[in-house]
Amino acid sequence: DTGVSQDPRHKITKRGQNVTFRCDPISEHNRLYWYRQTLGQGPEFLTYFQNEAQLEKSRLLSDRFSAERPKGSFSTLEIQRTEQGDSAMYLCASSVSQNSNQPQHFGDGTRLSIL
Amino acid sequence: GENVEQHPSTLSVQEGDSAVIKCTYSDSASNYFPWYKQELGKRPQLIIDIRSNVGEKKDQRIAVTLNKTAKHFSLHITETQPEDSAVYFCAAGGLAGGTSYGKLTFGQGTILTVHP
Repeated sequence: DTGVSQDPRHKITKRGQNVTFRCDPISEHNRLYWYRQTLGQGPEFLTYFQNEAQLEKSRLLSDRFSAERPKGSFSTLEIQRTEQGDSAMYLCASSVSQNSNQPQHFGDGTRLSIL
Repeated sequence: GENVEQHPSTLSVQEGDSAVIKCTYSDSASNYFPWYKQELGKRPQLIIDIRSNVGEKKDQRIAVTLNKTAKHFSLHITETQPEDSAVYFCAAGGLAGGTSYGKLTFGQGTILTVHP
């Protein structure tokens, strides 16, 4: 399967712990996006990369959140000192890069539950 | 920033009927409008998209229309089937951070139920 891959699928942790998620985009896609989706809502944009450069961050992304894409391939999203409100599905998407918006293809997401 | 409103929140139709979902957006700079279908516990899947230089686009039983002046766009599904039952999200995308293209702003979703 050459689609967007996310790991882990599920993560349960205690409040205050740090968590890290990984996303592997479609191989020829150099844009990578992170979204957060809570139950009954549409995905909310968090941040995006073009190659290794992080080009935009949402105000939703507090100082406890950090994302990296060190070699322009896979990306990690880390949440430090997790809070109850961080419980959500974290979705990764990727697209090709052209001078226009291109279709974003999503992974299956990582479901985070904070105890 | 962009704000996308989606209606209705739930839609129930009989198999074979048509279904229409409507979205409005606020930012006139938005120029890309995809629709995603999300089944329970699964990833959002792109089903159709339209750009601002086009007024209508069709793909078999699915069509999308765009009215740039009114800033609204709609998804039309004809001859609905039970497997069309899912949550549908509209989204709007445009310039982000200068000359880069990035984020999508999503609507709240429509739960479509097609009864056999």
